[in-house]
Amino acid sequence: SQQGEEDPQALSIQEGENATMNCSYKTSINNLQWYRQNSGRGLVHLILIRSNEREKHSGRLRVTLDTSKKSSSLLITASRAADTASYFCATVIMEYGNKLVFGAGTILRVKS
Amino acid sequence: DAGVTQSPTHLIKTRGQHVTLRCSPISGHKSVSWYQQVLGQGPQFIFQYYEKEERGRGNFPDRFSARQFPNYSSELNVNALLLGDSALYLCASSFSWDRVGGYTFGSGTRLTVV
Repeated sequence: SQQGEEDPQALSIQEGENATMNCSYKTSINNLQWYRQNSGRGLVHLILIRSNEREKHSGRLRVTLDTSKKSSSLLITASRAADTASYFCATVIMEYGNKLVFGAGTILRVKS
Repeated sequence: DAGVTQSPTHLIKTRGQHVTLRCSPISGHKSVSWYQQVLGQGPQFIFQYYEKEERGRGNFPDRFSARQFPNYSSELNVNALLLGDSALYLCASSFSWDRVGGYTFGSGTRLTVV
């Protein structure tokens, strides 16, 4: 079973608007990562936030982490048509191996 | 520098057959992980290998096996294919098995079982 749940499942916005995606998880984590996937191909690593961090920025991306609520959010500002993709949060579970546990993803469509 | 290379890109197999998928990590990366992504879902962890040793295994049946070679490339083998094995199989490479950082994924192998 998957660790995380993304919300919403799908999001459609106009170019230039901001997009916010949320992720909840169940167990304690070492870090949380966000990935983008275009057209069912490979995943692209976007940003990593450690369990002792609360907020992180990278270009137009802003990620927050609330370990007390076991939740994270990804904000994409000034969205572009090229941001159209599926976005996944993944938690790192440090047990046997160093595996990523993914949520089901949010499908983002940015209309031009 | 080449990224993570996976082959083949697409594959069609019949139920009951066997399949081998291949992955070459980024140069200098010693750990390879395999993930299965069924349509409409997030990827699920299958295996992690580091220095030719298994470092992690997900909740998959024994029909799934893998190995890593001295040059750090890896193979994922699936025996007795079922229709439910149809998925995108992703390989991810990282420098070490316990390095807490982002992973680099290949473009995947799309396996269709008919």
